[in-house]
Amino acid sequence: EPEVTQTPSHQVTQMGQEVILRCVPISNHLYFYWYRQILGQKVEFLVSFYNNEISEKSEIFDDQFSVERPDGSNFTLKIRSTKLEDSAMYFCASIRTLEHTQYFGPGTRLTVL
Amino acid sequence: GDSVTQMEGPVTLSEEAFLTINCTYTATGYPSLFWYVQYPGEGLQLLLKATKADDKGSNKGFEATYRKETTSFHLEKGSVQVSDSAVYFCALTDNYGQNFVFGPGTRLSVLP
Repeated sequence: EPEVTQTPSHQVTQMGQEVILRCVPISNHLYFYWYRQILGQKVEFLVSFYNNEISEKSEIFDDQFSVERPDGSNFTLKIRSTKLEDSAMYFCASIRTLEHTQYFGPGTRLTVL
Repeated sequence: GDSVTQMEGPVTLSEEAFLTINCTYTATGYPSLFWYVQYPGEGLQLLLKATKADDKGSNKGFEATYRKETTSFHLEKGSVQVSDSAVYFCALTDNYGQNFVFGPGTRLSVLP
């Protein structure tokens, strides 16, 4: 069964550094999402992406965050200058159409020191 | 805005016990409802879903029925196993399948 993949599984970085989290959505999917889960807390929506542009974003997704689909397969989340409070698990998800079933990747654990 | 409320955890049960995890929601329109499961150290996995009122989602012995009149989507399993120990998230998405709204999660521990 096709699946969403994410790399790296764990990223450790220093405060103020830039990080790029990578996702490979399922190949025929058209809608892409990033979520985050701070340890022990709920999963929070960050951003949705369709047709090479952001379709919706939450309050969390401020100017420090950006997303990109640089080629036909990858979907990236960039945090320009990481803060301690960015430490969380980041999940990518994708869907083929608006059929409501999002497939989630295994997540990238980001630790900001 | 849309929201999802789940029963507080953790829930601790003995093997073969009956499980219910309550979930209620607030939403405009006609959301689709989901249960996701997160096993220790892993990502989110879709457990089951229902896209319209009175639909029943089922998978791996788990069931949940979309109750529009009570705005609920309670998760049930007749006989839990140790391997069911995980965090369970109730979630909804709007008519347009855009962003998901997740509940806070309920941690289930099943003891042998």
